[in-house]
Amino acid sequence: DAKTTQPNSMESNEEEPVHLPCNHSTISGTDYIHWYRQLPSQGPEYVIHGLTSNVNNRMASLAIAEDRKSSTLILHRATLRDAAVYYCILREADQGGKLIFGQGTELSVKP
Amino acid sequence: GAVVSQHPSRVICKSGTSVKIECRSLDFQATTMFWYRQFPKQSLMLMATSNEGSKATYEQGVEKDKFLINHASLTLSTLTVTSAHPEDSSFYICSARESPGGINSPLHFGNGTRLTVT
Repeated sequence: DAKTTQPNSMESNEEEPVHLPCNHSTISGTDYIHWYRQLPSQGPEYVIHGLTSNVNNRMASLAIAEDRKSSTLILHRATLRDAAVYYCILREADQGGKLIFGQGTELSVKP
Repeated sequence: GAVVSQHPSRVICKSGTSVKIECRSLDFQATTMFWYRQFPKQSLMLMATSNEGSKATYEQGVEKDKFLINHASLTLSTLTVTSAHPEDSSFYICSARESPGGINSPLHFGNGTRLTVT
């Protein structure tokens, strides 16, 4: 399975932007970069995904490095409800669409 | 948005008994569903891929005779933990991919079932 590396934890202040990094140096050309988050005692929630170009949606933005060996999830204004574990996952084209979760980054948001 | 419902949300059972967990896609059809297990302070571990009308595909190290998966319709998959033991106590989470949908369409997750085996 393709691997990702994320910091174990990060802290942010409410209403400030948050940049969550992810390294995936072994990514292959057909792997999509997916981000999910998991709030306490809940199932994960889809955040965003992309292949090569930067992506924006109502939840976040995804900035993908030109060589695709790293990416950054950007929350433009953190709220207390954004406190969660954020998972960066490489979704491999030949794996039937399954997601293999790594350890993720636990984001805490301070008021 | 697409909703996946899991039932029950919590269950306590005695050692040696079996427990069935249901996973339903409420407003979409799902040819494929995935079952995960999560221990406290750990990440999700994929157990198996459930395909409607065919046998599930289990990940390495997951006992298929212990964790029985049935995906009898396009909106329902069930996981039965047979002869449960305390070490099976965990948070079980299902997810579903909307059909039709590309291989990269997002997965929708249920809110999990916390199983406690006494």
